[in-house]
Amino acid sequence: GENVEQHPSTLSVQEGDSAVIKCTYSDSASNYFPWYKQELGKGPQLIIDIRSNVGEKKDQRIAVTLNKTAKHFSLHITETQPEDSAVYFCAAGYGGSQGNLIFGKGTKLSVKP
Amino acid sequence: NAGVTQTPKFQVLKTGQSMTLQCAQDMNHEYMSWYRQDPGMGLRLIHYSVGAGITDQGEVPNGYNVSRSTTEDFPLRLLSAAPSQTSVYFCASSYAGRQETQYFGPGTRLLVL
Repeated sequence: GENVEQHPSTLSVQEGDSAVIKCTYSDSASNYFPWYKQELGKGPQLIIDIRSNVGEKKDQRIAVTLNKTAKHFSLHITETQPEDSAVYFCAAGYGGSQGNLIFGKGTKLSVKP
Repeated sequence: NAGVTQTPKFQVLKTGQSMTLQCAQDMNHEYMSWYRQDPGMGLRLIHYSVGAGITDQGEVPNGYNVSRSTTEDFPLRLLSAAPSQTSVYFCASSYAGRQETQYFGPGTRLLVL
């Protein structure tokens, strides 16, 4: 079955720096790659997603890149702010809307003012 | 819209007790699911439903039951609680499935002694 590896497990950056979180997946049939942000004491919230027909997607300070050949995708956050501090989860899915979706184990990002 | 609501927020059970975790959404979403979140394990799917009257098993269904009598509600039942079920439980909903934007509830923290 699908396996998703996420690195690093913890990441600490200075405010204003960039942060990069990387995920690799095992199933080449995967075609949907969302990123969720979970603030302390809250449920995860979708921040950006990408499908396999595109290589990069941006939304203000957040971008996701996908390399289908190498089976990895990354989350890039530029100009980090203290409110970016949270746990970030990647996931990989296949099989359409009701198909499978496997989550990575999460990255705890700390942005120091 | 309240979004996805979960009750209770926190519960302590003794081994062997049963209980129901409540989940409701007011977005008219067809798809609902239950996840458990354990330290270092990410989010794992317990059960899901693609519409009223239809439920199916996820990755870790043992020890849990679900039903979907209405579009709005998707309760999760623990039949005989075990310490291994100590976890944080999240309910999520989306229009069509896991590969669309999922909206998560705030979670229920369960401790089984």
